[in-house]
Amino acid sequence: DTGVSQDPRHKITKRGQNVTFRCDPISEHNRLYWYRQTLGQGPEFLTYFQNEAQLEKSRLLSDRFSAERPKGSFSTLEIQRTEQGDSAMYLCASSSGQGAGAFFGQGTRLTVV
Amino acid sequence: DAKTTQPPSMDCAEGRAANLPCNHSTISGNEYVYWYRQIHSQGPQYIIHGLKNNETNEMASLIITEDRKSSTLILPHATLRDTAVYYCIVRVRGTGGFKTIFGAGTRLFVKA
Repeated sequence: DTGVSQDPRHKITKRGQNVTFRCDPISEHNRLYWYRQTLGQGPEFLTYFQNEAQLEKSRLLSDRFSAERPKGSFSTLEIQRTEQGDSAMYLCASSSGQGAGAFFGQGTRLTVV
Repeated sequence: DAKTTQPPSMDCAEGRAANLPCNHSTISGNEYVYWYRQIHSQGPQYIIHGLKNNETNEMASLIITEDRKSSTLILPHATLRDTAVYYCIVRVRGTGGFKTIFGAGTRLFVKA
């Protein structure tokens, strides 16, 4: 499978715990994006990378959120001290350049209890 | 904020063409129009994009008006599996380049 893959697909965690999600983009894609989606809403932009450089972070990304793409390949999104409001689908996408369409993974569904 | 407006929902009969409109009156001359769709519980799926000329691929056709202020996505023979939310997007320039911002989209219901 050469698409974008995300792991895990589902995560249930207790409030206050830390969680980390992984995204493996399409191998030749240098741009990688993270989005968050709650029920009934469109995906909300969180952050994106060009290679290993994090180019922009949304104001939605509080200090509890951190994203990395250390070698310009896979990326991780960590949420510290999770809150119930963090419950959502976290989507990763990648693209080959500024003009290209983005390809999305199936997402990681986080439930904070 | 998203730079496009779309109707919140549309119906289409199975086998007929589905024509999904989008307004992007503030689009700049070098900005593309992108279309994605999202089937329930799945990640968004890229469909097509275009700049000025009409575009066609195996999934759909994209018709862009001459003034580029609006476009229409055409699914020529809609099937039940085309029921999804369709997003029309003009990317927004951020601090590090262009980024894809989703609006509310159009919920397309294909009915038998």
